[in-house]
Amino acid sequence: NAGVTQTPKFQVLKTGQSMTLQCAQDMNHNSMYWYRQDPGMGLRLIYYSASEGTTDKGEVPNGYNVSRLNKREFSLRLESAAPSQTSVYFCAISNLKAGGAEQFFGPGTRLTVL
Amino acid sequence: SQQGEEDPQALSIQEGENATMNCSYKTSINNLQWYRQNSGRGLVHLILIRSNEREKHSGRLRVTLDTSKKSSSLLITASRAADTASYFCATGTQYNNDMRFGAGTRLTVKP
Repeated sequence: NAGVTQTPKFQVLKTGQSMTLQCAQDMNHNSMYWYRQDPGMGLRLIYYSASEGTTDKGEVPNGYNVSRLNKREFSLRLESAAPSQTSVYFCAISNLKAGGAEQFFGPGTRLTVL
Repeated sequence: SQQGEEDPQALSIQEGENATMNCSYKTSINNLQWYRQNSGRGLVHLILIRSNEREKHSGRLRVTLDTSKKSSSLLITASRAADTASYFCATGTQYNNDMRFGAGTRLTVKP
């Protein structure tokens, strides 16, 4: 039972290249999230998917697209990477319900854009 | 923009001492959560406290919430070297679709 897995763990891109970050869960939770973490900034929400078939923008969506492929998988795509997207990316899941719910995080993907 | 702001930014204590971290926020919330992050790892959930609650305990952790002051505190009692990590507060709306994290408090517990 791995919980939340992310691939790849590390990636180096050149400016303008594209890539897709993958996230998969085996906890059967309905909601999935993508965050980025920059030094000294805490986590900022990029996109989330409240349930299969829906996606919504978070705080910092520009330059990213997402796909909720099925209940298990939520991918984040950078179409044309920029140095400002150098960050650590975390996927998280939760069982969305009124009153709030804890989020479970993956181990992260460390992305460097040159 | 970040919602929660932790204070202090960094805290260094001796093993066995208590550690207190504070979180302030600006807008109304439905719930507030505390997370721990060990270096290079993902976040781990510690406690969720709802806006109609004032205090919650979990093992050596005690969280308080004062909605009138828009602030929360996390107390770790009898700290251990293994508690060394960054601690984040996150504020949530009713369905937590848009949780906002603070920049964190870096706690170092010296053996």
